[in-house]
Amino acid sequence: DVKVTQSSRYLVKRTGEKVFLECVQDMDHENMFWYRQDPGLGLRLIYFSYDVKMKEKGDIPEGYSVSREKKERFSLILESASTNQTSMYLCASSLEGELNQPQHFGDGTRLSIL
Amino acid sequence: LAKTTQPISMDSYEGQEVNITCSHNNIATNDYITWYQQFPSQGPRFIIQGYKTKVTNEVASLFIPADRKSSTLSLPRVSLSDTAVYYCLVGPVSGGYNKLIFGAGTRLAVHP
Repeated sequence: DVKVTQSSRYLVKRTGEKVFLECVQDMDHENMFWYRQDPGLGLRLIYFSYDVKMKEKGDIPEGYSVSREKKERFSLILESASTNQTSMYLCASSLEGELNQPQHFGDGTRLSIL
Repeated sequence: LAKTTQPISMDSYEGQEVNITCSHNNIATNDYITWYQQFPSQGPRFIIQGYKTKVTNEVASLFIPADRKSSTLSLPRVSLSDTAVYYCLVGPVSGGYNKLIFGAGTRLAVHP
Protein backbone atom coordinates (compact mmCIF):
# COMPACT_ATOMS: atom_id res chain seq x y z
CA ASP A 1 0.00 0.00 0.00
CA VAL A 2 1.05 3.55 -0.65
CA LYS A 3 2.84 5.25 2.24
CA VAL A 4 3.82 8.87 2.75
CA THR A 5 5.45 9.46 6.11
CA GLN A 6 6.00 12.83 7.73
CA SER A 7 8.64 12.81 10.41
CA SER A 8 6.67 14.62 13.11
CA ARG A 9 2.96 14.87 13.91
CA TYR A 10 3.45 17.86 16.19
CA LEU A 11 6.28 20.37 16.37
CA VAL A 12 6.79 23.49 18.46
CA LYS A 13 9.49 25.98 17.52
CA ARG A 14 10.42 29.55 18.33
CA THR A 15 10.36 32.64 16.15
CA GLY A 16 13.53 32.99 14.11
CA GLU A 17 14.50 29.31 14.26
CA LYS A 18 15.32 27.37 11.12
CA VAL A 19 12.79 24.54 10.88
CA PHE A 20 13.00 21.35 8.86
CA LEU A 21 9.96 19.25 7.98
CA GLU A 22 10.75 15.88 6.47
CA CYS A 23 8.67 13.67 4.20
CA VAL A 24 9.43 10.22 2.83
CA GLN A 25 7.43 8.18 0.32
CA ASP A 26 7.92 4.51 -0.50
CA MET A 27 6.11 4.37 -3.85
CA ASP A 28 8.93 5.48 -6.14
CA HIS A 29 6.83 8.50 -7.16
CA GLU A 30 8.44 11.20 -9.22
CA ASN A 31 6.30 14.08 -7.94
CA MET A 32 6.25 15.38 -4.38
CA PHE A 33 4.39 18.32 -2.88
CA TRP A 34 4.21 20.48 0.23
CA TYR A 35 0.94 22.14 1.21
CA ARG A 36 -0.19 24.11 4.21
CA GLN A 37 -3.73 23.85 5.49
CA ASP A 38 -5.43 26.62 7.43
CA PRO A 39 -9.05 26.80 8.62
CA GLY A 40 -11.34 28.19 5.94
CA LEU A 41 -8.56 28.37 3.34
CA GLY A 42 -8.30 24.76 2.24
CA LEU A 43 -4.90 23.50 1.12
CA ARG A 44 -2.43 25.88 -0.46
CA LEU A 45 0.53 24.64 -2.48
CA ILE A 46 3.92 25.83 -1.22
CA TYR A 47 6.34 23.95 -3.48
CA PHE A 48 6.41 20.86 -5.63
CA SER A 49 9.15 18.76 -7.12
CA TYR A 50 8.96 16.60 -10.22
CA ASP A 51 12.41 15.03 -9.94
CA VAL A 52 15.49 14.90 -7.76
CA LYS A 53 16.97 18.37 -7.32
CA MET A 54 14.08 19.89 -9.31
CA LYS A 55 11.53 22.19 -7.71
CA GLU A 56 8.80 24.60 -8.68
CA LYS A 57 7.14 27.32 -6.63
CA GLY A 58 3.53 26.91 -5.74
CA ASP A 59 1.12 29.62 -4.67
CA ILE A 60 2.75 30.65 -1.38
CA PRO A 61 6.53 29.97 -1.48
CA GLU A 62 7.59 33.08 0.45
CA GLY A 63 9.45 32.22 3.63
CA TYR A 64 9.97 28.59 2.59
CA SER A 65 12.50 26.57 0.67
CA VAL A 66 12.69 22.88 -0.22
CA SER A 67 15.27 20.21 -0.80
CA ARG A 68 15.05 17.00 -2.75
CA GLU A 69 18.36 15.17 -2.78
CA LYS A 70 16.85 11.70 -3.10
CA LYS A 71 13.74 10.59 -4.95
CA GLU A 72 11.96 9.35 -1.86
CA ARG A 73 12.59 12.34 0.38
CA PHE A 74 11.30 15.90 0.17
CA SER A 75 12.14 18.44 2.86
CA LEU A 76 10.42 21.73 3.61
CA ILE A 77 12.58 24.39 5.26
CA LEU A 78 11.39 27.46 7.10
CA GLU A 79 14.44 29.68 6.89
CA SER A 80 13.47 31.92 9.82
CA ALA A 81 10.21 30.81 11.38
CA SER A 82 7.53 33.38 12.06
CA THR A 83 4.24 33.11 13.96
CA ASN A 84 2.22 33.38 10.73
CA GLN A 85 3.75 30.07 9.67
CA THR A 86 1.89 28.26 12.44
CA SER A 87 -0.19 25.77 10.46
CA MET A 88 -0.80 22.17 9.43
CA TYR A 89 1.71 21.07 6.80
CA LEU A 90 0.88 18.23 4.43
CA CYS A 91 3.22 16.35 2.15
CA ALA A 92 2.00 14.41 -0.87
CA SER A 93 3.37 12.39 -3.77
CA SER A 94 2.12 11.25 -7.15
CA LEU A 95 3.26 9.46 -10.27
CA GLU A 96 4.72 11.55 -13.04
CA GLY A 97 2.63 12.34 -16.03
CA GLU A 98 -0.65 14.14 -16.20
CA LEU A 99 -1.77 16.42 -13.40
CA ASN A 100 -4.83 14.31 -12.70
CA GLN A 101 -2.75 11.50 -11.21
CA PRO A 102 -4.06 11.03 -7.66
CA GLN A 103 -1.96 12.57 -4.93
CA HIS A 104 -1.16 10.47 -1.87
CA PHE A 105 -0.90 12.44 1.35
CA GLY A 106 0.85 11.98 4.65
CA ASP A 107 -1.02 12.62 7.90
CA GLY A 108 0.44 16.06 8.38
CA THR A 109 2.69 17.95 10.78
CA ARG A 110 1.01 20.48 13.04
CA LEU A 111 3.61 23.19 13.50
CA SER A 112 3.36 25.89 16.16
CA ILE A 113 5.70 28.86 16.10
CA LEU A 114 5.89 30.68 19.43
CA LEU B 1 -8.22 28.86 -13.25
CA ALA B 2 -11.50 27.08 -12.70
CA LYS B 3 -12.90 28.18 -9.35
CA THR B 4 -15.08 25.77 -7.43
CA THR B 5 -17.92 26.45 -5.03
CA GLN B 6 -19.17 23.87 -2.54
CA PRO B 7 -21.45 24.06 0.49
CA ILE B 8 -19.48 24.73 3.65
CA SER B 9 -21.21 21.99 5.61
CA MET B 10 -23.87 19.31 5.39
CA ASP B 11 -25.60 17.03 7.87
CA SER B 12 -26.99 13.57 7.27
CA TYR B 13 -28.04 10.43 9.10
CA GLU B 14 -26.75 6.91 8.91
CA GLY B 15 -28.16 4.94 6.00
CA GLN B 16 -29.07 7.98 3.89
CA GLU B 17 -27.66 8.84 0.48
CA VAL B 18 -25.64 12.06 0.49
CA ASN B 19 -25.12 14.25 -2.56
CA ILE B 20 -22.54 17.03 -2.47
CA THR B 21 -22.62 19.40 -5.42
CA CYS B 22 -19.67 21.42 -6.65
CA SER B 23 -20.09 24.35 -9.03
CA HIS B 24 -17.36 25.12 -11.54
CA ASN B 25 -18.87 27.49 -14.07
CA ASN B 26 -15.65 28.32 -15.92
CA ILE B 27 -14.36 24.78 -16.30
CA ALA B 28 -12.08 24.41 -19.30
CA THR B 29 -12.21 21.78 -22.01
CA ASN B 30 -9.18 19.89 -20.68
CA ASP B 31 -10.12 20.08 -16.98
CA TYR B 32 -10.81 16.97 -14.93
CA ILE B 33 -12.96 16.88 -11.78
CA THR B 34 -11.48 15.14 -8.77
CA TRP B 35 -12.81 14.58 -5.26
CA TYR B 36 -10.80 13.96 -2.12
CA GLN B 37 -11.93 12.97 1.38
CA GLN B 38 -10.18 14.08 4.56
CA PHE B 39 -10.76 12.55 7.98
CA PRO B 40 -9.72 14.42 11.13
CA SER B 41 -5.99 14.23 11.81
CA GLN B 42 -5.28 12.67 8.40
CA GLY B 43 -4.26 13.90 5.00
CA PRO B 44 -6.76 13.98 2.11
CA ARG B 45 -7.46 10.75 0.28
CA PHE B 46 -8.39 10.46 -3.41
CA ILE B 47 -11.87 9.01 -3.86
CA ILE B 48 -13.02 9.57 -7.43
CA GLN B 49 -12.32 11.42 -10.65
CA GLY B 50 -14.21 12.06 -13.86
CA TYR B 51 -14.34 14.07 -17.04
CA LYS B 52 -17.96 13.70 -18.15
CA THR B 53 -21.10 11.61 -17.58
CA LYS B 54 -21.00 9.23 -14.64
CA VAL B 55 -18.20 7.44 -12.83
CA THR B 56 -18.73 4.87 -10.10
CA ASN B 57 -16.32 3.01 -7.86
CA GLU B 58 -16.58 1.06 -4.62
CA VAL B 59 -16.72 4.24 -2.55
CA ALA B 60 -18.82 6.77 -4.46
CA SER B 61 -20.40 7.91 -7.69
CA LEU B 62 -19.64 11.10 -9.58
CA PHE B 63 -22.30 12.66 -11.78
CA ILE B 64 -21.25 15.25 -14.34
CA PRO B 65 -23.90 16.89 -16.57
CA ALA B 66 -23.30 17.56 -20.23
CA ASP B 67 -22.32 21.22 -19.72
CA ARG B 68 -19.80 20.19 -17.00
CA LYS B 69 -20.48 23.38 -15.04
CA SER B 70 -21.16 21.37 -11.91
CA SER B 71 -20.60 17.90 -10.54
CA THR B 72 -22.20 15.87 -7.77
CA LEU B 73 -20.47 13.42 -5.48
CA SER B 74 -22.90 10.77 -4.29
CA LEU B 75 -22.22 8.65 -1.22
CA PRO B 76 -24.68 5.76 -0.94
CA ARG B 77 -25.97 4.78 2.51
CA VAL B 78 -23.53 6.78 4.62
CA SER B 79 -22.26 5.61 7.97
CA LEU B 80 -20.70 7.48 10.89
CA SER B 81 -17.28 6.78 9.40
CA ASP B 82 -18.11 8.92 6.36
CA THR B 83 -17.93 12.02 8.56
CA ALA B 84 -15.16 13.99 6.87
CA VAL B 85 -14.33 17.01 4.75
CA TYR B 86 -14.85 16.52 1.01
CA TYR B 87 -12.89 18.57 -1.51
CA CYS B 88 -13.78 19.16 -5.14
CA LEU B 89 -10.88 19.99 -7.45
CA VAL B 90 -11.00 21.08 -11.05
CA GLY B 91 -7.81 21.23 -13.02
CA PRO B 92 -6.11 20.42 -16.31
CA VAL B 93 -3.98 17.42 -17.14
CA SER B 94 -1.00 19.68 -17.78
CA GLY B 95 0.25 23.19 -17.11
CA GLY B 96 1.50 23.28 -13.56
CA TYR B 97 0.39 21.85 -10.24
CA ASN B 98 -0.53 25.28 -8.94
CA LYS B 99 -3.56 24.97 -11.21
CA LEU B 100 -4.99 22.28 -8.91
CA ILE B 101 -6.76 24.18 -6.17
CA PHE B 102 -8.09 22.65 -2.97
CA GLY B 103 -10.82 24.96 -1.69
CA ALA B 104 -12.27 24.96 1.81
CA GLY B 105 -14.25 21.79 1.14
CA THR B 106 -17.58 20.55 2.48
CA ARG B 107 -17.70 19.33 6.06
CA LEU B 108 -20.09 16.36 6.19
CA ALA B 109 -21.41 15.28 9.58
CA VAL B 110 -23.21 11.92 9.74
CA HIS B 111 -25.42 11.44 12.78
CA PRO B 112 -26.71 8.19 14.34
